[in-house]
Amino acid sequence: DTEVTQTPKHLVMGMTNKKSLKCEQHMGHRAMYWYKQKAKKPPELMFVYSYEKLSINESVPSRFSPECPNSSLLNLHLHALQPEDSALYLCASSQVTLAKNIQYFGAGTRLSVL
Amino acid sequence: AQKVTQAQTEISVVEKEDVTLDCVYETRDTTYYLFWYKQPPSGELVFLIRRNSFDEQNEISGRYSWNFQKSTSSFNFTITASQVVDSAVYFCALVNNNAGNMLTFGGGTRLMVKP
Repeated sequence: DTEVTQTPKHLVMGMTNKKSLKCEQHMGHRAMYWYKQKAKKPPELMFVYSYEKLSINESVPSRFSPECPNSSLLNLHLHALQPEDSALYLCASSQVTLAKNIQYFGAGTRLSVL
Repeated sequence: AQKVTQAQTEISVVEKEDVTLDCVYETRDTTYYLFWYKQPPSGELVFLIRRNSFDEQNEISGRYSWNFQKSTSSFNFTITASQVVDSAVYFCALVNNNAGNMLTFGGGTRLMVKP
């Protein structure tokens, strides 16, 4: 089973709203990732968690706040977003070691900010 | 620094044609891994293959085959007898020791297979 589950699939929010994206995996992976993907572009890395600790933050604005409550769950809290934040948000997970690193992706959350 | 280039932004073929997607990479590391992912319109990136830098053997999986050539820094992907369900965006990606677990993606190739 290589399934990464993301909820919700679609989200529409206003610029003053607070919402959260959720990601779950049960493959025993200890590395989890958030990516942002704009139309016709490759995914851009936002955050990496390794053993439930934030290891990489790619200079993401503070209106995006990641959280890793346990080894199976990854959240992305959204607050005061801008219309340009509208995108597909992808979660991925993998083993931590490079030799075993295959990132498996969820189906994503399509976010629209009005 | 590493870089992945997919020069073909869009390819259109008719069903049953063979098609090759090109991928050229740059890295200074001697240990690295190359990947191909498929992204259908639904949005999920589907893992297709991973190849490490020490294994230049070509691989075939059904209608899919991959040609890895270190001499030209290329990792090309061929679909034989294409089908409409192959229509998707395909990404080539690289990860190496210096970049930790960070995937460097190419720009993607949109493949359209027409009936």
